[in-house]
Amino acid sequence: QQQVKQSPQSLIVQKGGISIINCAYENTAFDYFPWYQQFPGKGPALLIAIRPDVSEKKEGRFTISFNKSAKQFSLHIMDSQPGDSATYFCAASTTGNTGKLIFGQGTTLQVKP
Amino acid sequence: DTGVSQNPRHKITKRGQNVTFRCDPISEHNRLYWYRQTLGQGPEFLTYFQNEAQLEKSRLLSDRFSAERPKGSFSTLEIQRTEQGDSAMYLCASSSPTGRGSYGYTFGSGTRLTVV
Repeated sequence: QQQVKQSPQSLIVQKGGISIINCAYENTAFDYFPWYQQFPGKGPALLIAIRPDVSEKKEGRFTISFNKSAKQFSLHIMDSQPGDSATYFCAASTTGNTGKLIFGQGTTLQVKP
Repeated sequence: DTGVSQNPRHKITKRGQNVTFRCDPISEHNRLYWYRQTLGQGPEFLTYFQNEAQLEKSRLLSDRFSAERPKGSFSTLEIQRTEQGDSAMYLCASSSPTGRGSYGYTFGSGTRLTVV
């Protein structure tokens, strides 16, 4: 019940295209859903996050879509750029408790020029 | 404040040796977390501190692992009698539950441990 399942494992997109990564969770107590971007040898960096009281959040080229009834959320990267090539992790947390993050397995994105 | 700082960045040790890592969180963050990340996987939660109190430990944290956060400031993670399976990136993160919507959850760059 603590798992967060992420797909696809890897993704190749042409420059300018849309990258879409999906995640699903089971624990309805989760109330914070961040996405992290990680480059090789670096720690994860927060990209964008959403609370379950909204269905969509947009920051620049990055959008989270959230479907509470389906217990799914996704990251959309518009106008994907080669610099977006990285590993992306979704995560979920119960902030009122310990706030620990449960991470998905990660998606390696390659944006081809 | 420049974020979460971890030292050393890399550590190579022989099997059976003890190692200690340090994490300096963002100063106003009262929550501190340790995670472990192996190649190709997402980070896995190890332990959590609120101020100086260690409030949760994962079952991943065997009795060879110990973590401290004296005075609620920096934290150390010690691994005794290292094994090759301990080779991983050890990540520290800090957050404040009273922060902005993102809760200011910030990771350090990690310590890469290689046990040979």
